[in-house]
Amino acid sequence: EAGVVQSPRYKIIEKKQPVAFWCNPISGHNTLYWYRQNLGQGPELLIRYENEEAVDDSQLPKDRFSAERLKGVDSTLKIQPAELGDSAVYLCASSLDGLAGGNAYEQYFGPGTRLTVT
Amino acid sequence: QKEVEQNSGPLSVPEGAIASLNCTYSDRGSQSFFWYRQYSGKSPELIMFIYSNGDKEDGRFTAQLNKASQYVSLLIRDSQPSDSATYLCAERDSNYQLIWGAGTKLIIKP
Repeated sequence: EAGVVQSPRYKIIEKKQPVAFWCNPISGHNTLYWYRQNLGQGPELLIRYENEEAVDDSQLPKDRFSAERLKGVDSTLKIQPAELGDSAVYLCASSLDGLAGGNAYEQYFGPGTRLTVT
Repeated sequence: QKEVEQNSGPLSVPEGAIASLNCTYSDRGSQSFFWYRQYSGKSPELIMFIYSNGDKEDGRFTAQLNKASQYVSLLIRDSQPSDSATYLCAERDSNYQLIWGAGTKLIIKP
């Protein structure tokens, strides 16, 4: 079974430029997460989707960040314009929630996109 | 505010010994607890989850949960150099959101 796929793996952009990240979750997983992780810290949730609905986007900086999951499968996270402080690793994760997923709702992560804003 | 606390380390353990990683949490409504391993430059990888009080064993790994004292721990027996990584503790709250600790860096010395 294929894991969570993310692209690109690395991205270097100048500040004020736009950037987009793509994620394909594990097949059948209904919940998708976007996290941001800075060095030496745990992942910080940006947005959580259940199918195509964003159920938690309270930590998403909506002035510059946007996300979509149009058909309840793939998702795109966009930053426009990027700032120096956006340099981080952007992680996508998925889980199978609900009765079919048991009690744990464990999340599985993709390889991440390392963003460097110069 | 819900918090998960971990000692950042590094925790240095000789090869073959038992590594003990600890985590405390503030939310008494937490449902499940997770241990992830993260190698440098890689994404977090799920090791174990636990949601019942007591111990849960999987190979060389044992997770321990004490809800009354609000702590969860991970024991790694027969530590190997390949176990050297950062170990992240996370708890799933009543809103199904994972609250993450900052991780403990573990170094296994040959």
